[in-house]
Amino acid sequence: ETGVTQTPRHLVMGMTNKKSLKCEQHLGHNAMYWYKQSAKKPLELMFVYSLEERVENNSVPSRFSPECPNSSHLFLHLHTLQPEDSALYLCASSQGVLREGPYEQYFGPGTRLTVT
Amino acid sequence: AQKITQTQPGMFVQEKEAVTLDCTYDTSDQSYGLFWYKQPSSGEMIFLIYQGSYDEQNATEGRYSLNFQKARKSANLVISASQLGDSAMYFCAMREEITQGGSEKLVFGKGTKLTVNP
Repeated sequence: ETGVTQTPRHLVMGMTNKKSLKCEQHLGHNAMYWYKQSAKKPLELMFVYSLEERVENNSVPSRFSPECPNSSHLFLHLHTLQPEDSALYLCASSQGVLREGPYEQYFGPGTRLTVT
Repeated sequence: AQKITQTQPGMFVQEKEAVTLDCTYDTSDQSYGLFWYKQPSSGEMIFLIYQGSYDEQNATEGRYSLNFQKARKSANLVISASQLGDSAMYFCAMREEITQGGSEKLVFGKGTKLTVNP
């Protein structure tokens, strides 16, 4: 399988549930990202991992917990979410680490999350 | 302050005609990069084109070209010979450096919804 994959593609969860989103990249990239895309809002960066180290946490509530066990995998653990957390969650990867560009980001298809 | 501004929430174009999607940006960096992404209704973000701040020529990729005007801080996307499959959301983004780890992130605009009419 090539590119960036995300599972599940759709998720409905209650506010008391615990679930995890999974992202996997098959591109040999060094950096991985979580974005949140809500209706009528710009794409919001949540977390950045570079060489498995978290280098950016964009003021994300603690009910979102990322995990990067290796450079190919990225998880987003979810617990006690709120209805306003319903959104499309996109994972991306890029070469990232070196300063030579352009190093475009390659995105996965996203997980559409609904919190009831 | 908003760093990427896309002033057109929606645009319409006839099939086979050209369309320009506007993007202005704000940065004090001397070196920066600008990207355009396409997001079909399926949700996946597809990279289209990149322009580096030091690139002397406007970037082109097939039917996509970038009208880069550095002094005006604009990086408009031009799609020539529009096709029905071009109907999608289009996002302009700027690369920002993350000091820790020497990595970088993208800051996105709000997007423009393009509809290509037959």
